[in-house]
Order: sequence, then structure tokens, then C-alpha cells
Amino acid sequence: DIQMTQSPSSLSASVGDRITITCRASQSIRSYLNWYQQRPGKAPKVLIFAASSLQSGVPSRFSGSGSGTDFTLTISSLQPDDFATYYCQQSYTSPPTFGQGTTVEIK
Amino acid sequence: QVQLVQSGAEVKKPGASVKVSCKASGYTFTGFYMHWFRQAPGQGLEWMGWINPNSGDTDYAQKFQGRVTMTRDMSINTAYMELSRLRSDDTAVYFCARDVIQWGLRREFDYWGQGTLVTVSS
Repeated sequence: DIQMTQSPSSLSASVGDRITITCRASQSIRSYLNWYQQRPGKAPKVLIFAASSLQSGVPSRFSGSGSGTDFTLTISSLQPDDFATYYCQQSYTSPPTFGQGTTVEIK
Repeated sequence: QVQLVQSGAEVKKPGASVKVSCKASGYTFTGFYMHWFRQAPGQGLEWMGWINPNSGDTDYAQKFQGRVTMTRDMSINTAYMELSRLRSDDTAVYFCARDVIQWGLRREFDYWGQGTLVTVSS
């Protein structure tokens, strides 16, 4: 199975900050990388498909980049709604696997 | 609008089975693979398998082979996930989620159910 490793595991930030979350795959997954946001007690919500394609309805402050093994999710200006846990997920091969998550907390 | 509505919370004893349902609406149920996941308390997301609602074909994660069964009832647009021989470490929230692509499999998930908490305790 492909292992997905996110860093950091958690971070504290303020409204308006720019933050970046990193995801690394244990082997090349080309651009088959997706990002999800999960708020406490809720289901995950997809933000980005194929490393950089924003899902319809997702604010443009979210962006993704990368290919091969290294990927990033950037939030350009944190909003109160953005304090949540973020997961990367590879869809290159079965089984689909997720990173362990990055929790974004209010500073 | 697309909706996936799951059945309610369950409490089971070790060794028992649980069956979780996922009722789909707002789209052609048979056109999209349905995946199942689980999330143990405070943990990340784990893929369990998929079912093709059109054919009934399934694929299960190796970890759950022999314990999980995914089925569907096309007459009521509902997918099911049954997990048997429950253990305490099966305590988790179980989610269904739709694959993004119609008549194909991309292992990307655009709509999710609200989750079903399954608690395994003696």
C-alpha cells in the first residue's frame, strides 16, 4: 500500500494567516492526490482533486500543488471556517490511502 | 441535490455483526460506485471497500476480507455495509461516499454520508 505522510500533524494560526500543509507519498502517484477538510463530528468534504483542481464551490483561498511524491495545500488567508483537520488522499492505486491528518487550530 | 443518508448509531457486543445502510438520492444510484470508510475515535480515515451498485461487484480492503460484505438494493437506492465478528477495535464512525465519476472508478470521493457511530462493547 502507498503510505501518505502529512506534516505538520497540527499547527496553530490566526485568522488572516497564510498556511501550508505538506503531503508526501511513499512512491510516485503522479497527480492523483486529493485534499479533504473535516470539521469535528462531520463527514469529510473534498477541496481539491488531482493535486490542484479546486472542487466547485470551494473558496479560491484554497490551492494545491505538486506531483510525483510531494504535494502542498495552501490556504492564503485563514478564515474562521477553516479551523479543521485536513487530509490528503492518493487515488493512484488501490487501496486508496489517506495521510494521518493535519489539525489547524486557532492561535 | 445529491444526498447520502446513513442509518443511526449502533451498539453491539463483541462477536456480533452490524449492518449500516446508506440511502442515496438526487442522482442515478446505479451510475456511481459507492465506497465505505471508517474512522476510529481521534484517528484518520480508512478505506474499507467499494460496491458497484449496477452490477453488485465488490472489492474489499485486504484487512477486512472475510468479515465485510457490501450489498445494495436498487429498488430503494440503498447501499449496505455489514461487518461481522465485531471486536472492540471496530468501534468507529462508518461513512459511505460516492465515487466522483459516472460509470467508472476513480477512487475520489465527492459526496459523503453523515456517518454512523458503531460502538462495540461488552
